[in-house]
Amino acid sequence: QSVLTQPPSVSGAPGQRVIISCTGSSSNIGAGYDVHWYQQLPGTAPKVLIYDNNNRPSGVPDRFSASKSGTSASLAITGLQAEDEADYYCQSYDNSLRGSLFGGGTKVTVL
Amino acid sequence: QVTLRESGPALVKPTQTLTLTCTFSGFSLSTSGVCVSWIRQPPGKALEWLALIDWDDDKYYRTSLKTRLTISKDTSKNQVVLTMTNMVPVDTATYYCARSWRGNSGDLDHWGQGTLVTVSS
Repeated sequence: QSVLTQPPSVSGAPGQRVIISCTGSSSNIGAGYDVHWYQQLPGTAPKVLIYDNNNRPSGVPDRFSASKSGTSASLAITGLQAEDEADYYCQSYDNSLRGSLFGGGTKVTVL
Repeated sequence: QVTLRESGPALVKPTQTLTLTCTFSGFSLSTSGVCVSWIRQPPGKALEWLALIDWDDDKYYRTSLKTRLTISKDTSKNQVVLTMTNMVPVDTATYYCARSWRGNSGDLDHWGQGTLVTVSS
């Protein structure tokens, strides 16, 4: 079954580092397709945070970084800030579904 | 400046057909690599990719909804239309359209604000 699995929630104190994992399979991340990450603030549309595994669009703070290895990817937020409280989603293409997949989303809470 | 805006009914009855229109500006859907996707998000739940149409008029659908979805484009009007037949209450969601400019595996770099569709009698 083609899914991208994320932890439902992660939390950290201001200034700490949190990591969100995204686990896929051989038909998506493991097949070499790029992983993209989105941030969704409450009541707003998602915004691309990281594209092509580890690239930040202009305007995204360098506190956000990401990596990909094998069938998994991860997003790291260092120096956690209150404004980072949001839902985060990974996305990749799946060649067995011939379409995009989103992860189940991870809610980041700043304690 | 790239913008996308979804429009359509806020309320549909069960068994009806939903028609949503994505009107965009700032890019052309006839440019190589450009695609428009529809994504939905039930209240309090995750994003769910539904369909994509690309610059070459190729179309891709979520496997589980393939029989109910149709995506089309009108390049002259800068619009992409999604129809979903036989609506049921679990289809209640905010529906977004979004652009990618680097093919169907590229990131969705611009999104519309979304439109909430409620399915109820």
